[in-house]
Amino acid sequence: AQSVTQLGSHVSVSEGALVLLRCNYSSSVPPYLFWYVQYPNQGLQLLLKYTTGATLVKGINGFEAEFKKSETSFHLTKPSAHMSDAAEYFCAAFYYGNNRLAFGKGNQVVVIP
Amino acid sequence: GAGVSQSPRYKVAKRGQDVALRCDPISGHVSLFWYQQALGQGPEFLTYFQNEAQLDKSGLPSDRFFAERPEGSVSTLKIQRTQQEDSAVYLCASSLDRGGDTQYFGPGTRLTVL
Repeated sequence: AQSVTQLGSHVSVSEGALVLLRCNYSSSVPPYLFWYVQYPNQGLQLLLKYTTGATLVKGINGFEAEFKKSETSFHLTKPSAHMSDAAEYFCAAFYYGNNRLAFGKGNQVVVIP
Repeated sequence: GAGVSQSPRYKVAKRGQDVALRCDPISGHVSLFWYQQALGQGPEFLTYFQNEAQLDKSGLPSDRFFAERPEGSVSTLKIQRTQQEDSAVYLCASSLDRGGDTQYFGPGTRLTVL
């Protein structure tokens, strides 16, 4: 089955430190890949997406992600965490033919002052 | 421009009641999706519309769940005879084109069934 894996439900990071959230997808054919952020009691906000072309994708709020086909990965990074980055982050994959997003379980990011 | 809106934002229902959740997609968006998000989990697909046609309802958990989009814009998700396991956040998303890959989400409706 096509799926998305995010390890480590809770991630703690110090303010100013690197944020790294890992995402792996399952498929021999690379899907389109997305990262969404969800703040409490809000919907999902699109951070960035990869469809084709350049494998390093830049998004909003200083986040970026790199698509690596050989590793079936799409990890999200931000060089320096800010208190406002505290939220839940979801990786998602769109597999053509399914017409739906498949989501990982999410990472709850806590930023420590 | 306006994003995806959903109403109500919060709904409390007694077990056995019927509920109706509304989604207003971004104007002109062809594709519309419903997802269910249980506490502490990622969203799970429920159903997909392309204009007024419901092309995929394979994610609906039971025949108590019904969705419609009669004029190809506003959509309603209806749950009949609600059960406690229906408690979740119901998210609506819309996408500009028929492919539906880049989806924009509404704030969700939090349903609590007592």
